[in-house]
Amino acid sequence: DGGITQSPKYLFRKEGQNVTLSCEQNLNHDAMYWYRQDPGQGLRLIYYSQIVNDFQKGDIAEGYSVSREKKESFPLTVTSAQKNPTAFYLCASSISLAINTEAFFGQGTRLTVV
Amino acid sequence: GESVGLHLPTLSVQEGDNSIINCAYSNSASDYFIWYKQESGKGPQFIIDIRSNMDKRQGQRVTVLLNKTVKHLSLQIAATQPGDSAVYFCAQRTTGRRALTFGSGTRLQVQP
Repeated sequence: DGGITQSPKYLFRKEGQNVTLSCEQNLNHDAMYWYRQDPGQGLRLIYYSQIVNDFQKGDIAEGYSVSREKKESFPLTVTSAQKNPTAFYLCASSISLAINTEAFFGQGTRLTVV
Repeated sequence: GESVGLHLPTLSVQEGDNSIINCAYSNSASDYFIWYKQESGKGPQFIIDIRSNMDKRQGQRVTVLLNKTVKHLSLQIAATQPGDSAVYFCAQRTTGRRALTFGSGTRLQVQP
């Protein structure tokens, strides 16, 4: 089955720790994205990537980092600099940033700081 | 700046009725729009999209209308079913910023 896989589904972090959220896609998409969703709110863009070894900051990049070493993978690290990391994190991909097509989403990772 | 917002945070309809979910956007450079459906604890699912050179597009039980003059988008769901209960988001893409910008969502509740 083609799609986007996020892991883990639930993640707990102690304050001051960095954690990495995994996102893998087998859709052969060039573009990948990370969004953050807070309860009762819409999605806010953290980072996006249009090709391997390239990524751009979104609207709320502070306290986060990403890498794009492989086309299939776009991991997100939530660093200790992110002061309010508890949220639902969604990864998405699309064919290309240059083409107007839909983005496909994973099932999300719920991160909780304990 | 870019923003996408929704008029109604919660919409309650009777099963079998038609539903209309509205969305306003502010950037006249927006050229592509998508409606997504999100069920609790899951990722958003694509429903239907429309490009700025169109004013209407129909899918199975859904219709999207685009009014560029007033920067307004709507999603119409015919014969609403209990399985349609979810949060609906509109999203836009603009020239020069290719990542989608999302609105805050409307919760659709279908009453039996």
